[in-house]
Formats: sequence, structure tokens, C-alpha cells
Amino acid sequence: DTEVTQTPKHLVMGMTNKKSLKCEQHMGHRAMYWYKQKAKKPPELMFVYSYEKLSINESVPSRFSPECPNSSLLNLHLHALQPEDSALYLCASSPGIDEAFFGQGTRLTVV
Amino acid sequence: AQKVTQAQTEISVVEKEDVTLDCVYETRDTTYYLFWYKQPPSGELVFLIRRNSFDEQNEISGRYSWNFQKSTSSFNFTITASQVVDSAVYFCALSEPNYGGSQGNLIFGKGTKLSVKP
Repeated sequence: DTEVTQTPKHLVMGMTNKKSLKCEQHMGHRAMYWYKQKAKKPPELMFVYSYEKLSINESVPSRFSPECPNSSLLNLHLHALQPEDSALYLCASSPGIDEAFFGQGTRLTVV
Repeated sequence: AQKVTQAQTEISVVEKEDVTLDCVYETRDTTYYLFWYKQPPSGELVFLIRRNSFDEQNEISGRYSWNFQKSTSSFNFTITASQVVDSAVYFCALSEPNYGGSQGNLIFGKGTKLSVKP
């Protein structure tokens, strides 16, 4: 199994809603990541978890809250988002210094 | 500072043409990794190749080939006999292997959108 699975694939939420994005991998990778990709832009790193501990937070606003419940799961909790947060949110995992495997992403629209 | 430049924003070719996507990088690290990813309209980033800074051998994989030249800080990607299915956005990326002790904290170029017409 070389897949990173993200759910949901599409999400529309209001600015007062609370929602969560989910990411799952069963490759035994020790590191998991959240990237944000705006339209026609490259992905930008948001968070890195290494051995289930948050190791990198790229100055992301607190309305984005990551969680790593176990080595296979990574969540991104969303609260009080703004329309400019609309983007493709990509999850990735890697065994270390090898290539990162990306999921198909969640296309988020904030209305 | 680390930086990846893909000067070609969009390229359009006709099927069976060869096409080269350029990538120039900047880094002060002596150890680093370079990548190419393909992003089709579905959104998933598909890994194509990784090259570490100590391995300047060119690589060929089917219709794909990569030319890594440290002297010019370039890592160019060539598709031979392009096909419609090659249409996608291609990203070149640089990683800092010591940053946070993990990998995947990739610094991406802005991407090159390749359109292959039948």
C-alpha cells in the first residue's frame, strides 16, 4: 500500500464552521506533512510531524490546528476560516529523507 | 536562502515532440536533494525523481531523462516523444535534509504547465 488517503476530497464551509481534514497512510512512514496550495501556485509547507510530534509549524494562523493521533493518521482542524483560506490542502508522508508521497488533496472553499 | 526557479510558466507542444523543462536552484547547503513532481488536474503530486547533491549522474527512465549540473545549479527534465497524458504541471523542488530532521519540507519552484496537443 503506497497510498496517502485524504478525506474529504471537497469541502465547502462557512466562516463560522468547524471542520476537520483527515489524512491516513499505512506505509509506516515516520513523518507526515500538511501543505497548502493556492490556485496556480506551488505547495507551501504548513506543518511537519515527526514521530507523532509537531516538529515544524511554518507560522500558520491558529485557526488551523494540526493533530497526529497516531503514526498513521494526521488531522487538520479548521475553525473560523477566511475566504482567502480557500485552497487545495495536501497531506504527505515520508520515511525520512526519501521522497514524500502525497495524497490527492482536499479542495476547500470557505464561503 | 534556498530558492527554486522554473522560468517557463507554460509550454505547449505537439505530440511526439521532445520538451525540456528547466530548473535552477540556489542553496548554501552542501547536502541537499532535488526532486521533480508531476501534478495532473486531479491534484495529486506524483513523485518522478530524487537526486542528491553528490550524485551528478544523469538518469533516464523510459521517455523521461534528467540532467543535473552542479556547476550551473540546474536540474533539467526532458520528456522525449511527448504524449497527451504528459499534460500536467511539473514542479521542481529542493529539500533541506537537516531541517527538522525530516524530509518533505520541500521548497517548490512555481511550476511549469505543460500542454501536449494531439
